[in-house]
Amino acid sequence: AQSVSQHNHHVILSEAASLELGCNYSYGGTVNLFWYVQYPGQHLQLLLKYFSGDPLVKGIKGFEAEFIKSKFSFNLRKPSVQWSDTAEYFCAVSTGTYKYIFGTGTRLKVLA
Amino acid sequence: DVKVTQSSRYLVKRTGEKVFLECVQDMDHENMFWYRQDPGLGLRLIYFSYDVKMKEKGDIPEGYSVSREKKERFSLILESASTNQTSMYLCASSYLPGTESYNEQFFGPGTRLTVL
Repeated sequence: AQSVSQHNHHVILSEAASLELGCNYSYGGTVNLFWYVQYPGQHLQLLLKYFSGDPLVKGIKGFEAEFIKSKFSFNLRKPSVQWSDTAEYFCAVSTGTYKYIFGTGTRLKVLA
Repeated sequence: DVKVTQSSRYLVKRTGEKVFLECVQDMDHENMFWYRQDPGLGLRLIYFSYDVKMKEKGDIPEGYSVSREKKERFSLILESASTNQTSMYLCASSYLPGTESYNEQFFGPGTRLTVL
């Protein structure tokens, strides 16, 4: 079955630390890849997306992600986190125009 | 500014009641979705619709039904609410061919439903 795995369920970092959140998926065909963020009390919003082209994609608020096709991975990175990055992060894979699979989410807490 | 709106942010209902959750999008999107979000489980798809009056079951359709009479509106119905349907319900829309964000999902603010 198609699935998306986010290995880190809870992450706690100090401000200015570097962040990497893992995302792996199981699907052998063409995919579109997404990272969404949900700040406390707010709705899900798109951080970044990969459809095609350069596998290193940059999103909002200094986030980036790299698509490594051979590893079926789309890890999210940020060189220096801020307290305001405290949120829940979801990786999602689309395998068609109406087929989306979400990971279970990673709760990030950044200590000031 | 693109928008997906949901009729209520918070809702409290009693077991056995019929519950309607409404979602409206103003982006002329083809597809609309209902998810439920539970801690540690991520987003699970209940139903989706790819056209007016068309619907498909998602991963957890039991106890739910949907209605899409107009392109911009997608309703989720709990025929007889139960306590295990207490959850956050998220509506999303997607797919506008020919645009840069053609396959990106846009989410509403969510409805937190409590069934007593």
